[in-house]
Amino acid sequence: NAGVTQTPKFRVLKTGQSMTLLCAQDMNHEYMYWYRQDPGMGLRLIHYSVGEGTTAKGEVPDGYNVSRLKKQNFLLGLESAAPSQTSVYFCAGSSGTGTTCTFGSGTRLTVV
Amino acid sequence: AQSVTQPDIHITVSEGASLELRCNYSYGATPYLFWYVQSPGQGLQLLLKYFSGDTLVQGIKGFEAEFKRSQSSFNLRKPSVHWSDAAEYFCAVGLMEYGNKLVFGAGTILRVKS
Repeated sequence: NAGVTQTPKFRVLKTGQSMTLLCAQDMNHEYMYWYRQDPGMGLRLIHYSVGEGTTAKGEVPDGYNVSRLKKQNFLLGLESAAPSQTSVYFCAGSSGTGTTCTFGSGTRLTVV
Repeated sequence: AQSVTQPDIHITVSEGASLELRCNYSYGATPYLFWYVQSPGQGLQLLLKYFSGDTLVQGIKGFEAEFKRSQSSFNLRKPSVHWSDAAEYFCAVGLMEYGNKLVFGAGTILRVKS
């Protein structure tokens, strides 16, 4: 039972490079989320999805894009990475209102 | 706007002592409230949640939290802290009308003295 799986776990990018973070879940979650965690700021929502084919902006969406082509996958893209995007990224899923979120183990991204 | 405040950035307690971590929220509707714990380099683990009903909720690892609507608070408590409780603790409010997304506090780092 994998739960919520994020790949990769670590990545170093050069400024201006692009990359995609993959989140896969086998829990039949309808809702999925991407958060970033920075010291002293807790977790902040980047984008989220309330179902296959839907996406919505969160608190800090600039510089990121997402896609939810399949229910079980939620992709986070950085088109042109910047040092300000150095962070730990967490994916999460939930089954809707009144349910709890299950988090992945995180991706540590460094942009140099 | 919805927000969560954890006033204490760091807290140090002695092993065996009691613990209370503070959390205040700002949200117009009835909140869904959560406490998560994160050990260094790890993901987030749910300690407990409040959705409705009894305002004193029990969680894993001997933690409990009390929802006080009049004070907009959801403080986390443990009667006797163990060295393994050293971690970062996050309070969060769930927004029902926005896809159940979570708004987190900045976190409280707990250090345990032996």
